[in-house]
Amino acid sequence: DAGVIQSPRHEVTEMGQEVTLRCKPISGHNSLFWYRQTMMRGLELLIYFNNNVPIDDSGMPEDRFSAKMPNASFSTLKIQPSEPRDSAVYFCASSLALGSYEQYFGPGTRLTVT
Amino acid sequence: DAKTTQPPSMDCAEGRAANLPCNHSTISGNEYVYWYRQIHSQGPQYIIHGLKNNETNEMASLIITEDRKSSTLILPHATLRDTAVYYCIVRVPSSGSARQLTFGSGTQLTVLP
Repeated sequence: DAGVIQSPRHEVTEMGQEVTLRCKPISGHNSLFWYRQTMMRGLELLIYFNNNVPIDDSGMPEDRFSAKMPNASFSTLKIQPSEPRDSAVYFCASSLALGSYEQYFGPGTRLTVT
Repeated sequence: DAKTTQPPSMDCAEGRAANLPCNHSTISGNEYVYWYRQIHSQGPQYIIHGLKNNETNEMASLIITEDRKSSTLILPHATLRDTAVYYCIVRVPSSGSARQLTFGSGTQLTVLP
């Protein structure tokens, strides 16, 4: 298995632009997680899905952030409009189920908003 | 979920055992201890987990004290590739919405040649 796939790996955009991050979870995994990592705040859970349904989005920082999972093999995290403080590494992870011991993380997308 | 306390950094000589401590004095009876690590510029990687018995897998061993208030992750023969931030997390493996992984600041382990 290729593991969790994220694209793009790097994104540089200007403030005010829309940014879309993409994630393909491991086949057969029913739960998907979006995290954000910065030096100041560490690794934060933004939102997670189970069977394509959003379960908890309390970690999403603002209404500018939205996430969707239209099917079991694809999820997007969108920021519109983007701001410099959104600059971070965004990780997607998947697991067999919400209560699974192990989450498998993707390589991350490094977002820079200028 | 119970909070954890880890030293911010540790060094270890290559080939020696690396012992990473974690305090979780407020752990409850149904909370497991998990260890993840994050190598620079990569996503976190699961290492091991346990409830109260000691556990071992191909990557590491986990020693949990009898009162479960602390634990130690042991990398038996550390290599340069084990240089990473190691996170100790305690959590109930439930599907409940509030019971997901919470990463603290971890321990930066540096394996020295």
